[in-house]
Parts: sequence; structure tokens; C-alpha cells
Amino acid sequence: AQSVTQLGSHVSVSEGALVLLRCNYSSSVPPYLFWYVQYPNQGLQLLLKYTSAATLVKGINGFEAEFKKSETSFHLTKPSAHMSDAAEYFCAVSEDTNAGKSTFGDGTTLTVKP
Amino acid sequence: DTAVSQTPKYLVTQMGNDKSIKCEQNLGHDTMYWYKQDSKKFLKIMFSYNNKELIINETVPNRFSPKSPDKAHLNLHINSLELGDSAVYFCASSPGTTGARAEAFFGQGTRLTVV
Repeated sequence: AQSVTQLGSHVSVSEGALVLLRCNYSSSVPPYLFWYVQYPNQGLQLLLKYTSAATLVKGINGFEAEFKKSETSFHLTKPSAHMSDAAEYFCAVSEDTNAGKSTFGDGTTLTVKP
Repeated sequence: DTAVSQTPKYLVTQMGNDKSIKCEQNLGHDTMYWYKQDSKKFLKIMFSYNNKELIINETVPNRFSPKSPDKAHLNLHINSLELGDSAVYFCASSPGTTGARAEAFFGQGTRLTVV
């Protein structure tokens, strides 16, 4: 069975500071892993995905994530936060190529302080 | 050009009513989904259709009935609405169910409020 845990429901950083959002997963097979971002009153948008190619995955808006099998982690980072990064971030895991079988984490709210 | 569009964006209705939410995607995707996001932002799959065929049907009350007239459309009809149905409902699509294409493309959401 697959599961995902996002550590920290709320993360607050200053503008220009490093962003680190944590995600740990559990999967019985090599997983597909995703990060989505949800801006207020909008749908989810894919930031990046891991599909068993390179372990360091680069996404949109300067975000990247590293797949670490030994730690069962897929943490999301961005070197320098912008005010526009304030949003809800969801990590998701799937053992299947059907997106409907993804399990989403509970989400992390990122606040960026000026 | 909106990729996944759903209407209406907001829906306020009384308990016991029947309502529908429409969804259309112009991405040429084979698979479409309905998700429910509750007030705590927990996101849960409800249904998945692949080429108009139901392939995922999670534990959802049978008051919820999806209908897919063609692979570009997946509508959600809800009968006898209850207070607990209040949530944001997202339609999504994905390229297919084969290969490394498991990401979903989401609509803007429909905020359903039952009073």
C-alpha cells in the first residue's frame, strides 16, 4: 500500500530564504512521485514529477526535488523564496500510472514574509 | 485557452436538491477524474474514467453519479444534497494510464455549499 506524509502543515520563510518542504512516502514498488501547488481559489498545478529517471528533478518556478530511496523522501526545495510562492503544496505518490490512484499528502501551507 | 474547465465555479444550494457540475477538457486526454477537497484541504479521488469507461469508483455515496458522454467530458450529478457534501470538487484529466504519465491536470474547482 502507498502512503505519503508531509512533515509540517505550515512553513513560514522570509523572502529570499531557502524553501524546504518535506515529503516522505511509503510504497511497495518503485513509485511515481509528484509535487503540486495550489494557489488560493485555484486547482492544483504540477510543479514536478519523479518517474524513475534522474533522482534530482527540476520543476517550474525554480523548484526542485530529490528522490532519496534510502530515506524514502522526496523533499521540495527552492533556493530563494518569492512572495508569489505563497500557496498550498501537495506531495503525491502513485504505484500506478493512473493518476487517479495517486495518494495525496495533507498539504503544506507556505507563507512568505516580506 | 483553458485546458480543464468546470462549471459552475460556485454553487450554493439547499439540502435535498439535485445539482450537476460539468467538466470539459481540451487536452485530448483519455482519462478524467473527480476529486473532493474538504475544508481541511484533504484531497481524495472519487471517480476515474478512461475513454468513457468507469475505472475507479471509490467509496462514495451512490447519490453521486458521474456521467461521461465522451472522453472530453465528465459531469458529476449529485442527488439529495446533504450538508456534508459541502466541499470543493475538482475535475482533472491525464494523458492516459500507460507509461510514466501519471500526473493530473486540474480544473479550477467548484465550491459547493449546501445550506
